[in-house]
Amino acid sequence: GAGVSQSPSNKVTEKGKDVELRCDPISGHTALYWYRQSLGQGLEFLIYFQGNSAPDKSGLPSDRFSAERTGGSVSTLTIQRTQQEDSAVYLCASSLDLPSYEQYFGPGTRLTVT
Amino acid sequence: DQQVKQNSPSLSVQEGRISILNCDYTNSMFDYFLWYKKYPAEGPTFLISISSIKDKNEDGRFTVFLNKSAKHLSLHIVPSQPGDSAVYFCAASALGTSYGKLTFGQGTILTVHP
Repeated sequence: GAGVSQSPSNKVTEKGKDVELRCDPISGHTALYWYRQSLGQGLEFLIYFQGNSAPDKSGLPSDRFSAERTGGSVSTLTIQRTQQEDSAVYLCASSLDLPSYEQYFGPGTRLTVT
Repeated sequence: DQQVKQNSPSLSVQEGRISILNCDYTNSMFDYFLWYKKYPAEGPTFLISISSIKDKNEDGRFTVFLNKSAKHLSLHIVPSQPGDSAVYFCAASALGTSYGKLTFGQGTILTVHP
């Protein structure tokens, strides 16, 4: 079946603009995660959605970052007033209900803030 | 605060030999560990995992070893193949507290020479 898809694959934006990144998880996966990978760094957890529970937002670096998940499926990560340090690859992953830890990742969105 | 560390940024191995990738962690709450493999322009793909109740898990050419007292895990690939050339990330999770949220190391670039 189809894997996790993300759009756009690349995004170049000017500092101060808002951006929206989209994630379509694997059908039937109830858990959805956002991570980001800055240059030379490992993956950094941002936010986690599980079913109808309140999301775990503990990884969001500032209040300029927000995410929502509509209908338990598609998720959108929004970054307001982008800064150059927001440049990174943003990765989305999904998994089945716990206790499955096998997260399936999308190809990522490469965000460049100029 | 780097809770998961991969101290070797890169590793070069001859085809057919063993590749050993290492990972150290500091958080004693971690009880589930995973290895992911990442090719350029793709998202990470799950490779193998191990629960803290075990000290070894094997899957084909891949074996993960866990030394809880040393807070160290390693991934052995034998025999190594050129197609194994990729970035390898180790990741850890605390079952009871973080709902599968993964903390990743910085990654090790493995190059297998023919």
